[in-house]
Amino acid sequence: DQQVKQNSPSLSVQEGRISILNCDYTNSMFDYFLWYKKYPAEGPTFLISISSIKDKNEDGRFTVFLNKSAKHLSLHIVPSQPGDSAVYFCAASALHTGNQFYFGTGTSLTVIP
Amino acid sequence: DAGVTQSPTHLIKTRGQQVTLRCSPKSGHDTVSWYQQALGQGPQFIFQYYEEEERQRGNFPDRFSGHQFPNYSSELNVNALLLGDSALYLCASSLETGAYEQYFGPGTRLTVT
Repeated sequence: DQQVKQNSPSLSVQEGRISILNCDYTNSMFDYFLWYKKYPAEGPTFLISISSIKDKNEDGRFTVFLNKSAKHLSLHIVPSQPGDSAVYFCAASALHTGNQFYFGTGTSLTVIP
Repeated sequence: DAGVTQSPTHLIKTRGQQVTLRCSPKSGHDTVSWYQQALGQGPQFIFQYYEEEERQRGNFPDRFSGHQFPNYSSELNVNALLLGDSALYLCASSLETGAYEQYFGPGTRLTVT
C-alpha cells in the first residue's frame, strides 16, 4: 500500500525555468513532509520540510507548497540549474505516532543547459 | 561536523548467510532509522532506534534485527539472506525532539547471490 505517490517518474526542464515536482499522499494523519534529492551512489540529501500547520515554506530557490485538502504537495525550483539534475523523493510522517517516514518512488529531474 | 557514515560500502553474500551493516549518526543526533531501497523504489522503513531500544518497526520480517549502542551508533543484522534482500540499505539519523529531518548516510549496497 503506497501511502506516498510520485506519479511522474521523470521530468525535463530547461536551465533557468521552473521545475515543479509533485507528490500525493493518502493518509490524512500525515503532518510533516520532507523533500530529498539523491545523486547516484549517494544517500538522499535533505532539501526542505513543511509542517501541516503551514501551506508554504521557502528556502532560497526551493519552495514547497502543501494543499492538505487535496493531500498534495509540490516542490518548486526556480531557477533550475544543471546541478539540480537528480532524483527527488518526497516523504511524509505522522509525527504524533513517531517519526517513521514514508517515501514516494521518486522523480528523476533533468535540467537541460 | 561529521555526517552519517555507513560501512561497508558494498557487500556480496550468499543466500542463507547472515550480514551486519553499521552506521554512525550525525554528530549530536540520538535517533537512528534504517531503510531498504530496492532498485527504482523509494526507501522503505525497516525500524528506528532511540535510547538503545527499537521504537518503531516497518513491515519487515524478524530476520531483520538491529541494535543501538550507547554512543548512538547502530547495526542492522539480516539473517538467512534471500535473493530479494539485495538492495541499498540506508541509515538515517535525527533528533528525538526539535527538528525532525532525517539525514542519510551514503548507504551499503548488499548483493545476495
